[in-house]
Amino acid sequence: AQKVTQAQTEISVVEKEDVTLDCVYETRDTTYYLFWYKQPPSGELVFLIRRNSFDEQNEISGRYSWNFQKSTSSFNFTITASQVVDSAVYFCAPRGSNYQLIWGAGTKLIIKP
Amino acid sequence: NAGVTQTPKFRILKIGQSMTLQCTQDMNHNYMYWYRQDPGMGLKLIYYSVGAGITDKGEVPNGYNVSRSTTEDFPLRLELAAPSQTSVYFCASSYSNEQFFGPGTRLTVL
Repeated sequence: AQKVTQAQTEISVVEKEDVTLDCVYETRDTTYYLFWYKQPPSGELVFLIRRNSFDEQNEISGRYSWNFQKSTSSFNFTITASQVVDSAVYFCAPRGSNYQLIWGAGTKLIIKP
Repeated sequence: NAGVTQTPKFRILKIGQSMTLQCTQDMNHNYMYWYRQDPGMGLKLIYYSVGAGITDKGEVPNGYNVSRSTTEDFPLRLELAAPSQTSVYFCASSYSNEQFFGPGTRLTVL
């Protein structure tokens, strides 16, 4: 069975702090894709990043970075120098069979000015 | 490109009424999906389609029906609305990897 866990229900930090969002994906599949989506208070779902299971290189894009470790099934997402506009719910969503996404419960990130 | 569009944006239904949520994409994506999102939760897959004429059930299909007569359109039908169907409904499409979402329909059943 496939299972995705976002253990952090809510995180609150002060602006400019760094913050890491955790995601653990348990699966017997040897190859898979993982996605992160952002849902700001306005409600839309915004695609952030896609990673595949055979690429464990960390990736940095501006203030965002991603750390994928297949050995621990963790796919973590870090925001450096957080800003108030980063406040949103962040979802980790591995892709299962038939291109379906398996959604975590989400982590609500609150950035205080 | 307009991407994925959904109508209506908001709707209030009475118990037992029926309605169709419309979804259209202009990216020529083969895959389309319907999700529901309950307050404070992640998304749950209702139905999906891998191409015109082909649909299949997701995690929570009961109370819903879909059709896919064209590549562009993937309407979701609620036949006998129940309070448990109060939710935000998202339509999405994809070519093979990342899914692109519509703005959502907020449905309340009273």
